[in-house]
Order: sequence, then C-alpha cells, then structure tokens
Amino acid sequence: LAKTTQPISMDSYEGQEVNITCSHNNIATNDYITWYQQFPSQGPRFIIQGYKTKVTNEVASLFIPADRKSSTLSLPRVSLSDTAVYYCLVGISGGYNKLIFGAGTRLAVHP
Amino acid sequence: EAQVTQNPRYLITVTGKKLTVTCSQNMNHEYMSWYRQDPGLGLRQIYYSMNVEVTDKGDVPEGYKVSRKEKRNFPLILESPSPNQTSLYFCASSGSESSYNEQFFGPGTRLTVL
Repeated sequence: LAKTTQPISMDSYEGQEVNITCSHNNIATNDYITWYQQFPSQGPRFIIQGYKTKVTNEVASLFIPADRKSSTLSLPRVSLSDTAVYYCLVGISGGYNKLIFGAGTRLAVHP
Repeated sequence: EAQVTQNPRYLITVTGKKLTVTCSQNMNHEYMSWYRQDPGLGLRQIYYSMNVEVTDKGDVPEGYKVSRKEKRNFPLILESPSPNQTSLYFCASSGSESSYNEQFFGPGTRLTVL
C-alpha cells in the first residue's frame, strides 16, 4: 500500500479556496486516490475519489497530475464548518477494501 | 435515513470487565469493519467482515473478538479489557456494489478502561 504524506495543519479564512496536497510517490498502477473528512467526535466521511486528471463533485475537486505521484484536494470558498481533518488515502478501489489512514491534515478556517 | 449506529457512545469501565460495543447498519451492506483511533496513530483496522459468518483480523486484533450472525450487526467484544484499549472506536460499512473506497462510519464509541 502506498504511503502518503500531507501537511500536518493548514489555516485559512472564510471564503478562500483551500488546496491540500498529498504526496504518494509509490502509488501503484491499480491504486486510486481517496479523500476523507473527519469532524471532531465524528467518524470519517468520504469526500472524493479519483484515478487521474480532475474529478469534481458538489463538495470538492481533486487534481491528479499525469505522473500520479501527488494529488491536490481543492475546497472552494471554505466556511467555518469546513474546519476538520482531511485524510488522503491510496489503494485499490472497491467496497471491500481496508482503508489506511495517516495522520491527515488539520484544517482550521477562521472568520 | 441511511446510517451506521453504535452503542454506547461513551463507556468507562474497569480492567477485566467484559464489554460489548454494538454496531448496526441499515444499508444492507455486506462489508463491515471496526477501527480504533488513537492520537498520532490514525485509524487502525481491528477486524472486518465480508458477509454473514465471515470475519477476519485486521491490523490490531489482539484483545478483541467480533461476530457476524446477522448482516446488519457487527458487535465488537472485549473479553477482558485493559487500559491500552482505551481509545475511540469506529464501526464502518460498505456495499460490494460500490466501486469506490467509500465506507460509511458510525459516530464513534469513546472507551476508557481504568
């Protein structure tokens, strides 16, 4: 399973766009990149998943360069409620997979 | 509402006193698993189940038991809890039809073993 590296923490302000980059140099051909969000005292929640190029949903965008050795989660116009820990995971896709969580990135959004 | 529920949400117990944390999902998911979350260690998988009567060890199974007699339920059993099992526990489920790494997590159970 590919190891991921993310910044430990980030700060932003309401209304700004936040980009969180994850490094995964040893990603395998069959691996997908998945991002989860965790609020304090809650379980993690799936945000987005992608394999290459760009994926967008109602919550975020995920940018993956051609070499796939990194990825960037983009949160448009954050609000205070986006304050959470964001985890980048790499592995094969499917409903039966063990999820490997690292330390994640603690995002603090300020007024 | 589709959800994963856990009970109790908070529990303080003493060493050696058997306890069970229940987990139930209403999404007809085949796959269920238990994780524990500790500061600095992230979430680690304890046990998982691919379907009824099919369970297997995760990364940190020592000191825990599970059972899967019904599809919707996946209780976590601590036969003789010890202080090093003080942690935040999450149950999760997902469906075999999903092509994503999307698992649905419960609200968590904060366990303290004295």
